[in-house]
Amino acid sequence: AQTVTQSQPEMSVQEAETVTLSCTYDTSESDYYLFWYKQPPSRQMILVIRQEAYKQQNATENRFSVNFQKAAKSFSLKISDSQLGDAAMYFCAYRGLNNAGNMLTFGGGTRLMVKP
Amino acid sequence: DTAVSQTPKYLVTQMGNDKSIKCEQNLGHDTMYWYKQDSKKFLKIMFSYNNKELIINETVPNRFSPKSPDKAHLNLHINSLELGDSAVYFCASSQGLPDTQYFGPGTRLTVL
Repeated sequence: AQTVTQSQPEMSVQEAETVTLSCTYDTSESDYYLFWYKQPPSRQMILVIRQEAYKQQNATENRFSVNFQKAAKSFSLKISDSQLGDAAMYFCAYRGLNNAGNMLTFGGGTRLMVKP
Repeated sequence: DTAVSQTPKYLVTQMGNDKSIKCEQNLGHDTMYWYKQDSKKFLKIMFSYNNKELIINETVPNRFSPKSPDKAHLNLHINSLELGDSAVYFCASSQGLPDTQYFGPGTRLTVL
C-alpha cells in the first residue's frame, strides 16, 4: 500500500520569506499524481498544486512551486513571498493510476504559521 | 455557484442515533468520494463511487453506507452512531485524469 509522510508537523515563516514543506511517499507504481492541498481554519480543502509523475518539469502556480524528485520519492512544496493568508494546514496527497477507486492517500499534514 | 456542497455543516447527535450527510456537486463529475478527518487532522478515504462502481475502504465499518440517488449526489448514511465517529466528513468529486479532486466544505459530526 502507498504511504505518504510529512515529517514536519509544524513550520513557521516570516511574512515575505520563503518556506519549503517536505513530503515523501512510498510506491511501487511508475505512473501517479501528487497533490498539495491547503486547509485554512475555515477547514475547506483547497488544491494548491498538482504534479504528474511522468513530467520531469516541476509544477508552478504563482508563488507555489514543487521540487519533485521521482527517484527519491520526494515532493516538497515551496512557498515564496509568504503571506498571512498562507497560514493553514498543508497536506500532500498521492493518487496512483492503478488505484482502484481513484482514491487519494494523504500525509499527516504540516501546520504552517506565518509571522507578520 | 458552489462546486461541491454538503449539508449540514455541523451535526450534533446522541450515541446510537442514525444520521445522514448530503453531498451535491455541480461540476458534472463522474466520481464522488467520502473522506473522514479525525481530531488529529488525519484524512482517510472512506468510499469512492461512480455510477458503475462502489469502492469501499476495508477499514470502514458497515454502519456507514453511501447512497447515490443520481450522478450529482452522494449521501452518507451512518447507523448506530458511536463516540469514535466524531470527526469532520468531506465529500469530494473528480472527473477523468488527472483526476483532481474538489472538496466540499466538510461536515463536523459530534456524537455525544
